[in-house]
Amino acid sequence: GAVVSQHPSWVICKSGTSVKIECRSLDFQATTMFWYRQFPKQSLMLMATSNEGSKATYEQGVEKDKFLINHASLTLSTLTVTSAHPEDSSFYICSARKRLGDNLNNEQFFGPGTRLTVL
Amino acid sequence: GQQLNQSPQSMFIQEGEDVSMNCTSSSIFNTWLWYKQDPGEGPVLLIALYKAGELTSNGRLTAQFGITRKDSFLNISASIPSDVGIYFCAGRTGTASKLTFGTGTRLQVTL
Repeated sequence: GAVVSQHPSWVICKSGTSVKIECRSLDFQATTMFWYRQFPKQSLMLMATSNEGSKATYEQGVEKDKFLINHASLTLSTLTVTSAHPEDSSFYICSARKRLGDNLNNEQFFGPGTRLTVL
Repeated sequence: GQQLNQSPQSMFIQEGEDVSMNCTSSSIFNTWLWYKQDPGEGPVLLIALYKAGELTSNGRLTAQFGITRKDSFLNISASIPSDVGIYFCAGRTGTASKLTFGTGTRLQVTL
């Protein structure tokens, strides 16, 4: 299989606090993990691409100092939203990919998402 | 940047009907994927396409990789209530890992 989990599934925090979201590939080792943000009734927007042991590559317009990504192992990546504000409220989704190669089993598999609400 | 436009934006159909939706791009992709997202969940991979002209099925779902490499189509036959959700196409270029997602097609199925 290709199961990806996220924790927590939802979180409510006060403005100015930091929130950490974990993404784990449960039954495979992921060479690459991705973090997306999705606003209501909109598509998924890629925030950053993360490879184990190296710095994440952020998409244009995404502040790397605000959205800290740590990819500590082949099965775990974390996203920390620092000094969160109400405009950061969104649905954050991670995905993991086993390896490159034209095969359905090598594509991105998504976690269930984390709903962040900043008061 | 690249954009993938999906149409229709939304559709309401009756159970048992067939569904067609498409995804178009202004630039070429060499991989097309189709995902389904249920409310409050992450997307689930349905079909992957790797060659221009390729036609691939997954149960009642059939998808095609357009020969121009700039579009893809997804058909669902004999729709059922659990087909309700948002369908996203996604494209990938070259050897890059990252995907570009389409705008989504919201499907509603009535009994």
